[in-house]
Amino acid sequence: QSALTQPRSVSGSPGQSVTISCTGTSSDVGGYTYVSWYQQHPGKAPKLMIYDVTKRPSGVPDRFSGSKSGNTASLTISGLQAEDEADYYCCSYAGTYFYVFGIGTKVTVL
Amino acid sequence: EVQLLESGGGLGQPGESLRLSCAASGFTFSSYAMGWVRQAPGEGLEWISSISGGGGVTLYADSVKGRFTISRDDSKNTLHLQINSLRADDTAAYYCAKANSGRLENWGQGILVTVSS
Repeated sequence: QSALTQPRSVSGSPGQSVTISCTGTSSDVGGYTYVSWYQQHPGKAPKLMIYDVTKRPSGVPDRFSGSKSGNTASLTISGLQAEDEADYYCCSYAGTYFYVFGIGTKVTVL
Repeated sequence: EVQLLESGGGLGQPGESLRLSCAASGFTFSSYAMGWVRQAPGEGLEWISSISGGGGVTLYADSVKGRFTISRDDSKNTLHLQINSLRADDTAAYYCAKANSGRLENWGQGILVTVSS
């Protein structure tokens, strides 16, 4: 299994929106509704931000939203805030207890 | 509140073995699949292994198959990862995670494994 493709970096000013793409194949992203997104600040553990493509766990701001079309999923952060600066990883379920992560995207708030 | 606490990391020499543990609390441990994810310094996340609730099914990434063994002790709410034949590229932070319906919804704080002679 190859890692899912994400842009290495995206940036935006406070209040703007940024979108991170995550491209896989029909064996992972395109084949399941189990796409999740994780936020990771430096030196910290990853935190679940989006699951089942579009759902937000309790406590995650509604500025974070997810979508999917075919083999590509996307995470959009609206109303960018300074604390959103972090690394973001997409992840797709790819079969019985099998997961594949994206390469990660660094979000910079200008 | 779900808590996952890894232990057992540290410095190991190439060829040696290491056993990581993850103590779980705050949920019915035996009912959930669990997984291990690692992150080499400056690199991204890599899923390496999963085990079903009850332990009947185990799965490994190709990069660790044959050297790593995942197991669980549901009586002690503990997940394990046995790492044999340590290699330099096993140097990473290792995270245990609670799996639920296609997502890794809770993560431990991570434990560092350094392989060096």
